[in-house]
Amino acid sequence: NAGVTQTPKFRVLKTGQSMTLLCAQDMNHEYMYWYRQDPGMGLRLIHYSVGEGTTAKGEVPDGYNVSRLKKQNFLLGLESAAPSQTSVYFCASRLLTDGYTFGSGTRLTVV
Amino acid sequence: KQEVTQIPAALSVPEGENLVLNCSFTDSAIYNLQWFRQDPGKGLTSLLLIQSSQREQTSGRLNASLDKSSGRSTLYIAASQPGDSATYLCAVTDSWGKLQFGAGTQVVVTP
Repeated sequence: NAGVTQTPKFRVLKTGQSMTLLCAQDMNHEYMYWYRQDPGMGLRLIHYSVGEGTTAKGEVPDGYNVSRLKKQNFLLGLESAAPSQTSVYFCASRLLTDGYTFGSGTRLTVV
Repeated sequence: KQEVTQIPAALSVPEGENLVLNCSFTDSAIYNLQWFRQDPGKGLTSLLLIQSSQREQTSGRLNASLDKSSGRSTLYIAASQPGDSATYLCAVTDSWGKLQFGAGTQVVVTP
């Protein structure tokens, strides 16, 4: 099925560990986004990309890095995980004139 | 800065009643507005997308209106069913394609 696929779906990290979240879309979308969702805070934009090889900071970029080496993939990295990064992470993609398509999310716990 | 507000925060109705969910935004310079549904522990499912030049969109029992000049959108769900129980999120897209979300309305439809 066409759509946005996120891996992994669940992960538990220890403070200080690193990891990469992968987002893949097969709809040939130019724009891709990473959001985090926290209780009482809603969805907040971490980083986004308007095309292959380009990335930009969103509302809450600190502690995260991203890369868009291929058009279909958008990677979110945590270099040194902190408990404050415990959250549900959503990836989304879209064409310029269309709405957003979201992945099913990655539930990350940092202990 | 764009602010999106959804009222009410929670809503409980008996099956068969019509649902009315409200969304307001402070900056009328939006690209489009999208309504999403989120089930507990799940991702976001797009319900309706309204372009800034449109006044409303319909899909089955769902109808969404947009009044850009007053900064308001309303989602109507006709003849509610228990399966409509979920959190409904409103989000506006700015000219850079970034989504700004409301906090959501949690809906419970009782049999």
